[in-house]
Amino acid sequence: QVQLLQSGAQVKKPGSSVKISCKTSAKTFNDYVVAWVRQAPGQGLEWVGRFSPVSQSSNFVRKFGGRLTITADSHTKTFFLQLSSLTSEDTAIYYCATQGKGRFLQYLQAWGQGTLVTVSS
Amino acid sequence: DIQVTQSPSSLSASVGDRVTITCQASQDIGKYVSWYQQKPGQVPNLLIFDASTLETGVPSRFSGSGSATHFSLTISSLQPEDVATYYCHHYDHLPPTFGQGTKLEIK
Repeated sequence: QVQLLQSGAQVKKPGSSVKISCKTSAKTFNDYVVAWVRQAPGQGLEWVGRFSPVSQSSNFVRKFGGRLTITADSHTKTFFLQLSSLTSEDTAIYYCATQGKGRFLQYLQAWGQGTLVTVSS
Repeated sequence: DIQVTQSPSSLSASVGDRVTITCQASQDIGKYVSWYQQKPGQVPNLLIFDASTLETGVPSRFSGSGSATHFSLTISSLQPEDVATYYCHHYDHLPPTFGQGTKLEIK
């Protein structure tokens, strides 16, 4: 099964931006759509967005407006999530995960280890 | 957006018990529901997809059923290692959403 390795924990000031990476062990870059899910401390899971390497396009939850960017680098088979104008409500563990194949949206099969983002002044 | 209501929010049962967790969707989502187990301090783990398909390597005591708006996850004989929080997840269309979670404990 493909493995996902995420970047390390970060502490950010309110109003700043954060960029998290997720490197896949997939044989080819186009093999998997990657989704992002976050989990605030002691809370449940929240789907954030997805990136398709085939269409080079992303989709994400409307609530993030223009704050969220999801991209990828085919050369390093790495996916990125960037979130700007951070507030304390963005404090969470951010997970990347591969989608199963065959549909625009699918179940989440392999997960990264998670990246803790703490927003604090 | 589709709302997914999961119940109960917490559950305490004895080893060997049959345990059922349910999810109700606010509209028809076909078979596009998956279930995840998250043990304390760990990453979510896929158990069931497409409502009833068992993921490879998941013990057969776990099963899923349902369609349209009503779905359930059943553990046929609860084991100590099943202590975790369980989440349902719909992926019928954007945006996918998760249930609120069910925290399962052993009596």
